[in-house]
Amino acid sequence: EVQLVQSGAEVKKPGESLKISCKGSGYIFSDYWIGWVRQMPGRGLEWMGIIYPGDSYTTYSPSFEGQVIISADKSISTSYLHWNRLKASDNGMYYCARIMGACSGGSCDFEYWGQGTHVSVS
Amino acid sequence: SSELTQDPAVSVALGQTVRITCQGDSLRSYFASWYQQKPGQAPKLIIYGLNERPSGIPDRFSGSSSGNTASLTITGARAEDEADYYCNSHHSSGYHYVFGPGTTVTVL
Repeated sequence: EVQLVQSGAEVKKPGESLKISCKGSGYIFSDYWIGWVRQMPGRGLEWMGIIYPGDSYTTYSPSFEGQVIISADKSISTSYLHWNRLKASDNGMYYCARIMGACSGGSCDFEYWGQGTHVSVS
Repeated sequence: SSELTQDPAVSVALGQTVRITCQGDSLRSYFASWYQQKPGQAPKLIIYGLNERPSGIPDRFSGSSSGNTASLTITGARAEDEADYYCNSHHSSGYHYVFGPGTTVTVL
């Protein structure tokens, strides 16, 4: 059974750093793209970026480029979302998701989702 | 303005049919996928490709596309279909993707 388990809720102050995690199981982690999605309180979904754990190739939405770092450690089947300096506007729920097949052309479909990690910055 | 646009909310009578639309220039070239999100839950993929359903998604959900508009149709809406629905597609420029703002579906 494919599962993505995310790290627990975080409460941080502006300016602090943070790294949250997403551990995959039930499949070969390095073979599937992982994506990250933000949902601010009461708002919609925002596509942040994706990583291919096999070679750590990463691409970001322009809205998040330079704001966060997506990484992966295939040896422990885990992807990370990292902030060097949090802002109050980083408040929200962050989801990781495994992408169906290849993320290329017109298709980049999030098939399996983690439970989400709530980040509170104040 | 949003790359993809959706009506903020629609309502449907129990057992009736509702169509949720997603508009954007990128949809002339790329398929949209659709996600359902219920309160307090992670989103769920319900349509990908032109009209493919992941395992376990009921066939009352279907997708279609014409020009710059992708549509999700719920045929015979049930109370459990009450949720937010998001479209997702390739951005019209650059190698990244974008979600629509979401449509809240109320089943009356």
